[in-house]
Amino acid sequence: DAKTTQPPSMDCAEGRAANLPCNHSTISGNEYVYWYRQIHSQGPQYIIHGLKNNETNEMASLIITEDRKSSTLILPHATLRDTAVYYCISSTSGTYKYIFGTGTRLKVLA
Amino acid sequence: DVKVTQSSRYLVKRTGEKVFLECVQDMDHENMFWYRQDPGLGLRLIYFSYDVKMKEKGDIPEGYSVSREKKERFSLILESASTNQTSMYLCASRGYTSGFNEQFFGPGTRLTVL
Repeated sequence: DAKTTQPPSMDCAEGRAANLPCNHSTISGNEYVYWYRQIHSQGPQYIIHGLKNNETNEMASLIITEDRKSSTLILPHATLRDTAVYYCISSTSGTYKYIFGTGTRLKVLA
Repeated sequence: DVKVTQSSRYLVKRTGEKVFLECVQDMDHENMFWYRQDPGLGLRLIYFSYDVKMKEKGDIPEGYSVSREKKERFSLILESASTNQTSMYLCASRGYTSGFNEQFFGPGTRLTVL
């Protein structure tokens, strides 16, 4: 599984879009990009995933570059409840385990 | 909704005690996992199980063992607890939900070993 790198922390103003980058330059063709987030004192929660195309769901959008070496998670209108640690993981769909890095600590400011 | 539950949110044990952490999932998932989470180190995989009575070591299995006698239950065992096992322990199950394999996590058990 490819290693991912993320900035350790970011701030975002409430109501603005939060753009969280992830670098996965060694990703292979059959590896997906998954995003999870962990709110304080809870277990990680799935947000979104993608392979090649950009994806959107009710929580977020995922933009994957054409060469697939990096991606950006977008929270379109960040709220205080989005303050959390966000993890970017690359993995094949059939693998048993994900490798979680240390993630990005997003702080949404009022 | 998938539910992964863990037996305790907080646990305090003494060095040398045998400790059992229990995890139960209600979605008939075959795969279950135990992670520990420490500041600055992220989540690290201790053990996982891909079926009943089947288990595989993760990245940091030393000092731990596991048991999976029933599909819904996956136990983490600390045979002789030590202070360096003070940590947050997270259980997860994984199954094909909403068109892809997704991991669902429990709320975690914060274990303190004195």
